[in-house]
Amino acid sequence: AQTVTQSQPEMSVQEAETVTLSCTYDTSENNYYLFWYKQPPSRQMILVIRQEAYKQQNATENRFSVNFQKAAKSFSLKISDSQLGDTAMYFCAFTHLPNQLIWGAGTKLIIKP
Amino acid sequence: GAGVSQSPSNKVTEKGKDVELRCDPISGHTALYWYRQRLGQGLEFLIYFQGNSAPDKSGLPSDRFSAERTGESVSTLTIQRTQQEDSAVYLCASTEQASGSADTQYFGPGTRLTVL
Repeated sequence: AQTVTQSQPEMSVQEAETVTLSCTYDTSENNYYLFWYKQPPSRQMILVIRQEAYKQQNATENRFSVNFQKAAKSFSLKISDSQLGDTAMYFCAFTHLPNQLIWGAGTKLIIKP
Repeated sequence: GAGVSQSPSNKVTEKGKDVELRCDPISGHTALYWYRQRLGQGLEFLIYFQGNSAPDKSGLPSDRFSAERTGESVSTLTIQRTQQEDSAVYLCASTEQASGSADTQYFGPGTRLTVL
C-alpha cells in the first residue's frame, strides 16, 4: 500500500527564519508525483510546489524549495525567510496515475512575529 | 468560473437525514474529485470523475454515499441517512486533463458538514 507520513504534527518558528517540513512516502512505483499543499484557516487547499519523480533536480518556487531524495523516499519542504502569511497546515501528497492523491496527516506551521 | 466553488459552505443536519453537497469545478476541467477531511486529519479520497463517468469509486465509505456529475460540470455528493461519523469537511477539486497526467488539483473551499 502506498502511504505518506509527516512526522511533525506541529512546528513554530520566528518570522524570517528558515523551516523544513519532513515527508516520507512508501511506494513500489518508479514514476510518480509529489506535492506540497498549504491549507490556511480559510480551508482553501493551495498548491505550494510539485515534483516529478523522474526529475533529479529539486523543484523551487520563490521562497519554497524541496529536497527530494528518491532512494530514501523522502520529500521535505524548505521555507526560507518565513512570513506570517505562511502560517497554515501543510500537507504532503503523492500520486501514481490515475490521479488519486494520497495524503499525509499534515504539519501545523506557526510563524511567530 | 474563476475557481472551484462549493455549496453550502456549512451544513448542520440531524442524524438520519439526507444531505446534498454541490461542487462547481473550474470551467473546462474534465476531472473532478471529492475528498473528506476529518478534524485534524489529512484528506481521504472518496471518488473521481472523468467527464460524467466515475472510473474510481473506491473511496466511498459505504453505500450511503453516492455522487453524480452532469454536463461535465457540476457534481453532487449525496449522503443518505447521515451518521455522526460523517461530520467532516468535504472538499472538491478539479483538474484540466484526463487521467494519464498528474495535473495540479485546484480545490474549492469545502463544505463543513456537522451531523447532530
